[in-house]
Amino acid sequence: DAGVIQSPRHEVTEMGQEVTLRCKPISGHDYLFWYRQTMMRGLELLIYFNNNVPIDDSGMPEDRFSAKMPNASFSTLKIQPSEPRDSAVYFCASSPRTSGVDEQFFGPGTRLTVL
Amino acid sequence: GNSVTQMEGPVTLSEEAFLTINCTYTATGYPSLFWYVQYPGEGLQLLLKATKADDKGSNKGFEATYRKETTSFHLEKGSVQVSDSAVYFCALSSWATDKLIFGTGTRLQVFP
Repeated sequence: DAGVIQSPRHEVTEMGQEVTLRCKPISGHDYLFWYRQTMMRGLELLIYFNNNVPIDDSGMPEDRFSAKMPNASFSTLKIQPSEPRDSAVYFCASSPRTSGVDEQFFGPGTRLTVL
Repeated sequence: GNSVTQMEGPVTLSEEAFLTINCTYTATGYPSLFWYVQYPGEGLQLLLKATKADDKGSNKGFEATYRKETTSFHLEKGSVQVSDSAVYFCALSSWATDKLIFGTGTRLQVFP
């Protein structure tokens, strides 16, 4: 299996632009998580899905952030408009149904820089 | 609420030294406990886990024992290698939700 796939790996954009991050979970995994990692705040859970349904989005920082999972093999995290403080590494992770809160498999991350 | 506290880093060691990274937790019920490792430029990956009190998780020479009486899950390795240099995250799972609660991470630097 290819593991969790994220794209792009690096994104540099200017303040005010829309940014879309993409994730393909491991096939057969029912849970999908979006995290943000910064030096100041560490690893933060933004939102997670179960069977394509958003379960908890309490970690989404503002209305500028939105996430979707239109099918079991694809999810997006969108920031509109982007701000310099959104600069971070964004990780997607997936987990199989039998594990639930068990092992999560992380993608390589997208490093976002907002100028 | 549930939380995980890890020792501050960085931890700097010479190759073949003994490693301990402390982790304590606060949780209701009986959580499962995990150590994840993040190598430079990569995502986190599971290193080991323990699902009940007194269980010992082990992998790649690393060990951690689930201590309910001290609410701890300290990570140990008898002889570290340069390739162990990474950030280590302690985490717990709560059956009340589907989320993992992560600690802040501890950076380990091993020098030859």
